[in-house]
Amino acid sequence: DAGVTQSPTHLIKTRGQHVTLRCSPISGHKSVSWYQQVLGQGPQFIFQYYEKEERGRGNFPDRFSARQFPNYSSELNVNALLLGDSALYLCASSSAANEKLFFGSGTQLSVL
Amino acid sequence: AQSVTQPDIHITVSEGASLELRCNYSYGATPYLFWYVQSPGQGLQLLLKYFSGDTLVQGIKGFEAEFKRSQSSFNLRKPSVHWSDAAEYFCAVGLMEYGNKLVFGAGTILRVKS
Repeated sequence: DAGVTQSPTHLIKTRGQHVTLRCSPISGHKSVSWYQQVLGQGPQFIFQYYEKEERGRGNFPDRFSARQFPNYSSELNVNALLLGDSALYLCASSSAANEKLFFGSGTQLSVL
Repeated sequence: AQSVTQPDIHITVSEGASLELRCNYSYGATPYLFWYVQSPGQGLQLLLKYFSGDTLVQGIKGFEAEFKRSQSSFNLRKPSVHWSDAAEYFCAVGLMEYGNKLVFGAGTILRVKS
């Protein structure tokens, strides 16, 4: 079975632009979470979705938004990009809202 | 607030030597604790987890960790390190009352010298 897949793997944007990152969970998993990992730091929680509803939100500005689709895939959107948004964005899926997480390889976002 | 501290940013060990990576957490309730490993440019792979019960937990790749409530610690150990263990290791506490939100430490980079 395929693991968690994320696209694109790498992305370069300029300040002020908008970006959409995509995640497909493991088949059968209904929960998707997003984390931001800045270079040299541990991942930081952004969002969790379960059954298409937001279950948790981290301490991120409103420029960050996400949604989950009926097939349980998810998108993370970031508006008005800042240099500080440059990071590895990790998606993780789980079979239920409080089960262990399986991580994808991430999308490396560079904002110039 | 919940937090995880990994006091060692870098650790270098010789191949075949034993390894201990330190992790301390701050959390008001009974913690769910995890260790993940990350190779360069890769996502996170779960090594082991502690939810309850036996405080010594076994994981994949020969790793184990011991939960010590009195010390608020969850240190990761391996008796004999292999060159392929070189990676970054993250300790995390799970806030299961908020779904499965994880709070991660800053990570420890393990270097293995031959």
